[in-house]
Amino acid sequence: AQSVTQLDSQVPVFEEAPVELRCNYSSSVSVYLFWYVQYPNQGLQLLLKYLSGSTLVKGINGFEAEFNKSQTSFHLRKPSVHISDTAEYFCAVNTGTASKLTFGTGTRLQVTL
Amino acid sequence: DGGITQSPKYLFRKEGQNVTLSCEQNLNHDAMYWYRQDPGQGLRLIYYSQIVNDFQKGDIAEGYSVSREKKESFPLTVTSAQKNPTAFYLCASSALDRVAEAFFGQGTRLTVV
Repeated sequence: AQSVTQLDSQVPVFEEAPVELRCNYSSSVSVYLFWYVQYPNQGLQLLLKYLSGSTLVKGINGFEAEFNKSQTSFHLRKPSVHISDTAEYFCAVNTGTASKLTFGTGTRLQVTL
Repeated sequence: DGGITQSPKYLFRKEGQNVTLSCEQNLNHDAMYWYRQDPGQGLRLIYYSQIVNDFQKGDIAEGYSVSREKKESFPLTVTSAQKNPTAFYLCASSALDRVAEAFFGQGTRLTVV
C-alpha cells in the first residue's frame, strides 16, 4: 500500500524568504511523486513531478523538489517566495501499478510582507 | 483549449435530495476520477473509471454513484444516503499510459441546506 505524509499543516513565511514543504512517502515498489498547488476555490495544478532519472526536479513558478530514496522523501523548496505563492500544496504518490493518486493532507503556505 | 469542465461551481441541496455534478473533458483521456476534499483531510478518491461503461469504487464510495456512458463525461450523483455531503468535489482525468499525472477541473462546492 502507498501513503503520503505531509508533516506540516501550515507554514508561515515572510516574502523573499526561502521555504521547504516536507513530504514523506511509503511504498514497497518504485514510485512516481508529485507536487500540486491549489489556490482558493480552485482545482489542483501540477507543480512538478518525479518519474525517473535526476533526483532534483524543477517545476513551475521557481519551485524544485529533491527525491531521496533512502529517506523516502520528496521535499518541495523555493529559494525566495512571493505573496502570490500563498496557496495549499499537496504531495501525491503513485506506484504506477495502481490507477489512482494518493494525496497527502496538504500544507497551507502563508506568505506575508 | 483542452481541459476539464465541472459544473456548477456552487450547488445547494436540501437534505434527502439527490444531486448530480457534471464533469466533461476534451483531453481525450481514458481515465477519469472523482475526489472529495474536506479541510485537513486532503483529497479522498470516490470513484474512478478507466474505460467507457466501467468504473471502480475508491476509498469513500458509499452514498455516491457514477456513470461513464461517454469517454468525455463522468457525472457524479450524490445520493440521499450520503450522510455528510457538504464538501468540495474535484474531477480529474489522465491518460492511461501516464496514469500518475492527473489534470483537475475547477471543482464544485456542494452545500446541504
